Amino acid sequence: SAVISQKPSRDICQRGTSLTIQCQVDSQVTMMFWYRQQPGQSLTLIATANQGSEATYESGFVIDKFPISRPNLTFSTLTVSNMSPEDSSIYLCSVSSADPHMSRGYTGELFFGEGSRLTVL
Amino acid sequence: RKEVEQDPGPFNVPEGATVAFNCTYSNSASQSFFWYRQDCRKEPKLLMSVYSSGNEDGRFTAQLNRASQYISLLIRDSKLSDSATYLCVALVGNQFYFGTGTSLTVIP
Repeated sequence: SAVISQKPSRDICQRGTSLTIQCQVDSQVTMMFWYRQQPGQSLTLIATANQGSEATYESGFVIDKFPISRPNLTFSTLTVSNMSPEDSSIYLCSVSSADPHMSRGYTGELFFGEGSRLTVL
Repeated sequence: RKEVEQDPGPFNVPEGATVAFNCTYSNSASQSFFWYRQDCRKEPKLLMSVYSSGNEDGRFTAQLNRASQYISLLIRDSKLSDSATYLCVALVGNQFYFGTGTSLTVIP
């Protein structure tokens, strides 16, 4: 399985500030996914980060609020900008076993980082 | 309407009991389905894929009913370590849609 490291694991931030979450994968992947899991809610896809191109954002999420970087095939960052208490959530980085770089064969499995728990005061 | 809907529970069952979780999906184009397990304050991890013929892995049985757009997970002989949230997931194209999860607590 893919090993995904996320930093920070948790943070408490003031309203109006920004936080950048880092995601490092132990192998090269074409796509990295950023999810949000708000308390009592399902995982919601924020965007897909592709190396060498702009990230693809899902409905309800915009680049100005959640800028993403993808400088190489093993690393990505998600920034939560101008934070408000509504941004308090767990942010999860993920890769898919169906990724073209993975030679394991398609199992439909998503591998997740341990998540970054963000609290905005 | 949500892509994937689950009964949030909580389900509180005694050790050794059999418990079943149900899940419905709205998009008939969904091609694959999965059950993930998420422990408290941890990331989700794949429990099992759901095949059209149904599949079994030890104490866990998953079934799919495409006509009713319904997926189930059956856990037999529940263990304390089965306490977690179980997420139903549908794959549509390249996107995974997650249910809100069903909380299970197995009581000694």
